[in-house]
Order: sequence, then structure tokens, then C-alpha cells
Amino acid sequence: RKEVEQDPGPFNVPEGATVAFNCTYSNSASQSFFWYRQDCRKEPKLLMSVYSSGNEDGRFTAQLNRASQYISLLIRDSKLSDSATYLCVVTKPGNQFYFGTGTSLTVIP
Amino acid sequence: GAVVSQHPSWVICKSGTSVKIECRSLDFQATTMFWYRQFPKQSLMLMATSNEGSKATYEQGVEKDKFLINHASLTLSTLTVTSAHPEDSSFYICSAPRDLVSEQYFGPGTRLTVT
Repeated sequence: RKEVEQDPGPFNVPEGATVAFNCTYSNSASQSFFWYRQDCRKEPKLLMSVYSSGNEDGRFTAQLNRASQYISLLIRDSKLSDSATYLCVVTKPGNQFYFGTGTSLTVIP
Repeated sequence: GAVVSQHPSWVICKSGTSVKIECRSLDFQATTMFWYRQFPKQSLMLMATSNEGSKATYEQGVEKDKFLINHASLTLSTLTVTSAHPEDSSFYICSAPRDLVSEQYFGPGTRLTVT
């Protein structure tokens, strides 16, 4: 079973739309959780960390549900510049990162 | 600015040759670095954990004799793809955390093409 499962999409949404991505993880001992963004042929960049209490950064809201072992990312008021692949990441105690397959988002004018 | 660098950024080599990729932390020391591989339209797959001063730890299914990792100093890890074949063509990315609990900083990646 994969460490992290993620719907690959693609998601094609109009500008201004709200879009949500979910991700599940298999190891209950997972320690830290992140959302990364990856543009084509580039390295991943940290978007935000994910906490059980939920955290918000502008138009982005991330949530962690440890009981159900899933992570979510909500993007409000989508911009063209949000088009990218969004990767959920789960870490183990040794700080190894395990990536989901990534969800492709295209925001359409 | 970048905190982790990789060299080279791209390389084309012939089948059967070996290729060395360097990963450097630029303004911090990294006792641990990680190597990933990403095939087109797929996610990053963790290959191995590189440990300064000791042997690397490989993920299941990754051949340690094919992908040689050397973490000779606190700022440098190298990945050598030995006897490369076309199926090894991929995007290789390294990462390093500043400490055990901070985020990972990713290198810009090395695109390897084996002909």
C-alpha cells in the first residue's frame, strides 16, 4: 500500500473558483504534513505546513484529520498563477518525505 | 536565494557509462540529505537517505549497487548512477533539512537522459 494516496486530477477550474484537494496516508505514526507546489520541470516548493487545528495563508487553507488520516487543501478565488501540481507530503520520524502522486490544477481564464 | 544546489542541471550520457550528480547545502550543514527520482507525469519517489559519515539507507526496490551515494562532508552528497541505461532517464532531485524538524529544501534537480 502506498504511503500517500492522492487524486491525480486533473482539475480544470475557472478563475475565481474554489477548489479542494484531498490526500490520505497509511502510516498512523506519520509526524509532519505539508503541501508542496511543483511547476513543470521545477523542484517542489513548500506551500504550507498542515496542522490538526487547521491553518490558513491567504487564499489557502490546509487541514489535517489524524483520526481519518487525511489532509486537505482548499484554494479560494483561484488565480491563473495557481496552475501547478500540488503534492501532499507526509514525513516519518527519520524526516523522510513521502510524496503523493500530485494533483494537477489548471485555472482557466 | 537557493539554499540547496545541484550539479549538473542536465546531463546526456551513453548507455553503460556512469554519471555523478552533486547536491550541496549552501548556507547550512546537512547531516542528512535525501535523493528522489521523478519520471514524467509521476510524483517524486524517495530513493534513499544520505547520511554524513555512514552508509546511505535505501528505499525498498532501489538498487544500492546501481545508485551509489556518498555523503563525504556536511554540505555535499553525491549520487552516482552506475552503468546507466535508458530506463534510468529521469529527473533526480535532492533535498536537505536545516534540522530534523524543519522543512526540506529541494535542489533544482538534474535531468538525466541516457541514450
